[in-house]
Amino acid sequence: EPEVTQTPSHQVTQMGQEVILRCVPISNHLYFYWYRQILGQKVEFLVSFYNNEISEKSEIFDDQFSVERPDGSNFTLKIRSTKLEDSAMYFCASNPEIFNTEAFFGQGTRLTVV
Amino acid sequence: RKEVEQDPGPFNVPEGATVAFNCTYSNSASQSFFWYRQDCRKEPKLLMSVYSSGNEDGRFTAQLNIASQYISLLIRDSKLSDSATYLCVVLRGGNQGGKLIFGQGTELSVKP
Repeated sequence: EPEVTQTPSHQVTQMGQEVILRCVPISNHLYFYWYRQILGQKVEFLVSFYNNEISEKSEIFDDQFSVERPDGSNFTLKIRSTKLEDSAMYFCASNPEIFNTEAFFGQGTRLTVV
Repeated sequence: RKEVEQDPGPFNVPEGATVAFNCTYSNSASQSFFWYRQDCRKEPKLLMSVYSSGNEDGRFTAQLNIASQYISLLIRDSKLSDSATYLCVVLRGGNQGGKLIFGQGTELSVKP
């Protein structure tokens, strides 16, 4: 069964450092997303991406965040200067289409900022 | 007001019990509705989509009332393996992807 894969599974970084979280969506999917979940809290939308550009972003997704689809398969989330409060699980998801279809989630990257 | 609100948990039930989860959403522009399941520190996984006609998948029954903006999930004959957090999720947004809005989840613990 096709799946969304994320790397690394766990990343520890020092405050102020840049991190890049990587995702390989399912190959025929068109819509890509990043969500995050702070420990003990709900899953929150960060950004959606379609047709090689951002479709929508949340207020969490400030100038420290950026997304790219550099080579037609990978989908990356970059955090330029990490803060302690960026510590969370980051989930990548993809959809073949929008409505009434399952969003497939990757297994997540646990980011710990120290 | 939270956009998607669920019953606060946790629910602790014995095996074989029937358990019901309730959820309300505030944005009438919500377009699709789902129940996801999340095991501890894992990714959310789709349990079932929810339709206004109601739908059933084995021991699981989901209902949607668009007029009252209410979604429910019923689990019959609960199993130990049903222990997880159940997430009420709505899709909102336009033609370029939309976004999933998650409730805070209701934890279910099924005991022997």
